[in-house]
This record gives sequence, C-alpha cells and structure tokens, in this order.
Amino acid sequence: GQQVMQIPQYQHVQEGEDFTTYCNSSTTLSNIQWYKQRPGGHPVFLIQLVKSGEVKKQKRLTFQFGEAKKNSSLHITATQTTDVGTYFCAGPAQGGSEKLVFGKGTKLTVNP
Amino acid sequence: NAGVMQNPRHLVRRRGQEARLRCSPMKGHSHVYWYRQLPEEGLKFMVYLQKENIIDESGMPKERFSAEFPKEGPSILRIQQVVRGDSAAYFCASSPLALAGELFFGEGSRLTVL
Repeated sequence: GQQVMQIPQYQHVQEGEDFTTYCNSSTTLSNIQWYKQRPGGHPVFLIQLVKSGEVKKQKRLTFQFGEAKKNSSLHITATQTTDVGTYFCAGPAQGGSEKLVFGKGTKLTVNP
Repeated sequence: NAGVMQNPRHLVRRRGQEARLRCSPMKGHSHVYWYRQLPEEGLKFMVYLQKENIIDESGMPKERFSAEFPKEGPSILRIQQVVRGDSAAYFCASSPLALAGELFFGEGSRLTVL
C-alpha cells in the first residue's frame, strides 16, 4: 500500500541551529501538505505544495516539493524554542480516495 | 468563528465499556475526518464522512467501531467494548471541500482504557 515516510524520526538541536526534515512517498502525489503539532496539542496546517519543484517560504521555514512529486522537505533556519513540536507531511491517498495519508512525523526538540 | 470542537477532551473507560466521541466541524464545513494517534506515532486515518453519509471507512476496524454524521448535530465516533489497545488520541478534522486544501483539526479526545 501507499506509504509516506519521514526522516529523521527525532531531531534535537541547539537554539540557532538549522533543522531539516524529509518526506518521501512511495507514489506520486498531486500535492503535499505539512502540519505542525505542539506537545500535547493538535495538528495545525502549515502549507500545501502543488507544483513540481515548488519552493515556498514562511519566515524562517522553507518548504520544497520534489521534481518527481514524490518527496518534500521542510527546512527551518536558526531554530527557536517556539519551533518545538512534531512536523508531519501528508499526501492524498492513492486511487482517488479523499483521505490524507500522514507520515509518522519528525519530533523536534530545541535546547535553549 | 469557532474552530472544530471535540468533546470530551479526556475520557477514561474501563475495559468493556463504550466510548462516544463527538465532533462539531467548523461552520460551513460538511466534510469530517477522524484520525487516531498513538503515543509517539503519526495520524492514522479512520473514516471520512459527509452529512449523513460514510464516504470512506477503510481505516476503521471492522468490529466495535462505528461513526456517523447526522443531518443535525455533531459527528460521533463510537467504540463499543473498549480494550486497552483503544487508548489513544482521536482527532477530528473538517474541511469545506473534499481535500481542496487544509484540514482543520480539533483539539482531540484522549481516551484512556483502564
């Protein structure tokens, strides 16, 4: 079945360091979404990428969608303690289903 | 504009009891999704509903679990005869159109089975 994989599973950084999480799908995606979940919280939508090779920026966050539309990345420049949380990528399920398939997420901790 | 409302936020049940989780989508949203999250795990799709219809229940266990989204009132996820393995956070999400963009998640219902 379709799989969405993320690496690394955990990442611990010092405040001010950069952080990157990678997402890979076993199938081509029509779009990819990224969500952030704070500890004890609920997932919150960050962004959606649709076009092959698309790059979008939100302040210190840079999102990229691969040329083959099977992989994506999220890069955070100069992490802050407010960046702590788990970052999930998600893509539409294969076969016209209207559900989102989520990766297992990358849990980011930031040491002040 | 109220977000997705879920209740109860926390629920404790003994094995064999029933759990009922409620979700009121955002105003104007007619698409509801239920996801389950185990500790340190990702979000596992359970069921997708529109008003009065179950569109996709491929992620729902065949036994003990059911979901509905009536014409009036919230969507309900019902778990009968709960077991310890049902302990998890259950998130509801809504959207105005089917996968046209972001999902708006509720704060979740955290079920603990003793």
